[in-house]
Amino acid sequence: AQTVTQSQPEMSVQEAETVTLSCTYDTSESNYYLFWYKQPPSRQMILVIRQEAYKQQNATENRFSVNFQKAAKSFSLKISDSQLGDTAMYFCAFETSGSRLTFGEGTQLTVNP
Amino acid sequence: DSGVTQTPKHLITATGQRVTLRCSPRSGDLSVYWYQQSLDQGLQFLIQYYNGEERAKGNILERFSAQQFPDLHSELNLSSLELGDSALYFCASSVDGPFGAYGYTFGSGTRLTVV
Repeated sequence: AQTVTQSQPEMSVQEAETVTLSCTYDTSESNYYLFWYKQPPSRQMILVIRQEAYKQQNATENRFSVNFQKAAKSFSLKISDSQLGDTAMYFCAFETSGSRLTFGEGTQLTVNP
Repeated sequence: DSGVTQTPKHLITATGQRVTLRCSPRSGDLSVYWYQQSLDQGLQFLIQYYNGEERAKGNILERFSAQQFPDLHSELNLSSLELGDSALYFCASSVDGPFGAYGYTFGSGTRLTVV
């Protein structure tokens, strides 16, 4: 079975600093896609960033970047210059040809002023 | 506004009752997915429809059913409701293409409370 593990239930960071959220996954597939979703207090699920497993280059979207280590099955999210609006639950997720989006348990990130 | 519309936003009903949740996908998206988010089990995939046909099934109870209509909107029917069915139900849609290529666009969810 495909699994996604986020080992940090809660994290906090000071405004303007950098924080890294961890994610590991387990799959026997060689081709898959990885995602980070953000769920603010409004409960809306918002796509933050995506990574294609066959691409070695790490994805970047403005202040958000990932560190994708395929051999280690690790997919961490780095948020630079943290802002108050980044406060949210962050979910790591992946999808393979045999399964739909599978989510981790989530990491609650709080950005402090 | 994500482009995925879910109604109603909130629903309170009694145990044993039946409810229908509605979802209109983003314009041009052929796939619709239903997810359940409860406090103790996170986000669970229920079912996917693609252009009117069931494409994948996840942890969906037999008391639950879904369908996608010719205009691509989808309905999730929940029957014989139990207290444990209280959750946030999300609908998502995606562009036709290789799996996962573009990610899913989520609606704002329907908060179901069973009392």
